[in-house]
Parts: sequence; C-alpha cells; structure tokens
Amino acid sequence: KAGVTQTPRYLIKTRGQQVTLSCSPISGHRSVSWYQQTPGQGLQFLFEYFSETQRNKGNFPGRFSGRQFSNSRSEMNVSTLELGDSALYLCASSIVGSDIQYFGAGTRLSVL
Amino acid sequence: DQQVKQNSPSLSVQEGRISILNCDYTNSMFDYFLWYKKYPAEGPTFLISISSIKDKNEDGRFTVFLNKSAKHLSLHIVPSQPGDSAVYFCAASSSLDQGGKLIFGQGTELSVKP
Repeated sequence: KAGVTQTPRYLIKTRGQQVTLSCSPISGHRSVSWYQQTPGQGLQFLFEYFSETQRNKGNFPGRFSGRQFSNSRSEMNVSTLELGDSALYLCASSIVGSDIQYFGAGTRLSVL
Repeated sequence: DQQVKQNSPSLSVQEGRISILNCDYTNSMFDYFLWYKKYPAEGPTFLISISSIKDKNEDGRFTVFLNKSAKHLSLHIVPSQPGDSAVYFCAASSSLDQGGKLIFGQGTELSVKP
C-alpha cells in the first residue's frame, strides 16, 4: 500500500507570491490534515479535511487555505507569501475513527 | 499557549541503556496520546499511542506511561539502539474535536551512542 505522497518536495518562492501544495493520502483514508513545522516550534496544526469539508482549523491567518477533492486528495494554498512562511509543510492522513495519522515526507517551502 | 510541552530539547543515552522521553500537557480534555519519531528529510512515523483510560501501553522495546493526575506521559525505550537516534514528538488529541487534529510538543532529539 502506497504511503502519503506530497508534491513537490521542495519549493522556492518570493515574497508576495502564492503557492499550492498537494497531498495524496493513503488509499482508503478520508481524513487529511496539514501541519507546519518550523525550527523550535514543533508541528503546528493548520487544518483538517474530511469528505471535502473542513472540520478543524488551527490558528493561522486566512492566507492559508485548503481544499479536498472527492478522491480524498487535498491541496493547501498560501497566498501573499511572507518570509515567515518558510517551513516544512506536512500532510497526514487517517482512517475514520482513528487518531493515528500517517505522514508524508513533507514539502520544504523557502520564501526569499 | 503551548498545550503540549517537551521540556528537554535533547537527550543522549548509551547503547543498551534505557531512554526516557518526557511530555507534559495542560489541556484536561486531551484523551488520546501518541508518540512519533522523525528522521531528517522524512515525515514523522507513528510509534505508539495510549488512551486516557489506560496508564501503560507496551509494544516491543517501547512503553508509554500516562499519569493523568500529573498530566504527564513518558516514552521508555529499552534497550536503546543507535538506530533510535531521531527526534521524538509527543502529540495529543481530544474526542471533543471532530478528528484529524493533533497537538504536538516541540520534540526531543535523542542521540544513542555506541
């Protein structure tokens, strides 16, 4: 069974641009969560989608948004990029009713 | 407001000895706890979890202990191996949330020396 796949693995953008990250969950997993990891901050929860609906949202500005498609694949968008958005963005998937999440390798975003 | 805290950024242990990683939480609504291991350039890998109705869960060399009154959990690795060297994150969730939301600590970097 394939794991969680995130694309691209690396991205370099400049301030003010926008970016879209993609996540394909494990087959059969319908919940997809997104996290931001920065040095010293651990992983911070961005949002979670289930059946194409956002069920949970963390404390991030509205520049961070996401969506989920009918095949459970998810995208995350960050608009008007800031230097502080440079981070590792991780996607995780889980089956219904389980708190155990399985993570992808992440997308490393650098904002110059 | 850091609801899950790992106060030790790093830990160094000799191969074959016990590694004990600690985690504290403040939110009494948390009822499920997990430990993840992370190698550089990889995503976190699930290790072991525990429900708040238990105080101990064991899986091979890994044991997680939960002390609800102290809002404290710990991960014991016995015996420690050099391949265990990684960053370990504890995480918590609440059944009051609809799912998919884990709150993570800052991580503890474990170094196991041969």
